[in-house]
Amino acid sequence: GESVGLHLPTLSVQEGDNSIINCAYSNSASDYFIWYKQESGKGPQFIIDIRSNMDKRQGQRVTVLLNKTVKHLSLQIAATQPGDSAVYFCAENLSGGGADGLTFGKGTHLIIQP
Amino acid sequence: DSGVTQTPKHLITATGQRVTLRCSPRSGDLSVYWYQQSLDQGLQFLIQYYNGEERAKGNILERFSAQQFPDLHSELNLSSLELGDSALYFCASSTQNTEAFFGQGTRLTVV
Repeated sequence: GESVGLHLPTLSVQEGDNSIINCAYSNSASDYFIWYKQESGKGPQFIIDIRSNMDKRQGQRVTVLLNKTVKHLSLQIAATQPGDSAVYFCAENLSGGGADGLTFGKGTHLIIQP
Repeated sequence: DSGVTQTPKHLITATGQRVTLRCSPRSGDLSVYWYQQSLDQGLQFLIQYYNGEERAKGNILERFSAQQFPDLHSELNLSSLELGDSALYFCASSTQNTEAFFGQGTRLTVV
């Protein structure tokens, strides 16, 4: 079956540095990708999304890059802060939005070192 | 606060029992989704309802069922519970073709 996976289970960065979290997806028909952040004891929180007709999208301190050629997605977080410590999930969707049939990766635990 | 409300926050029950989890979507959202999160399986899509009708089905067991009511709140029913059903159950809601917002989840422990 199709799968979405993350390259690294844990990423440790210094406070103030930039973080890059990577994700590989295998379904070339996926047309919508989302990054979620999940803090301990909370539900996944939407960070940013991108549709397959784009290769880059920027938000506040975050940038998502989509490389459809190699089926790779990344989340860049600028000037990481302690509050960025969480598990980050990438997810893909075939239907262009919402959460039906979202396939989530296993998650990357981002640890911010003081 | 995502605007999605789930109750209860925690639930402990015995094997073989049946439980009902409740979700109130964000105001105006017609779609409700249920997800299961366990340590070994990650976040797994279970089922989606849109305006009272089942829209999509994922890895939902036959022992599990859901419904969405006219006021758009949804319930996930889990029956004949097994130890392996212990997990976090999340509800999410969205308007059509937009990002989904997740609730805080219900932690189910089956003993």
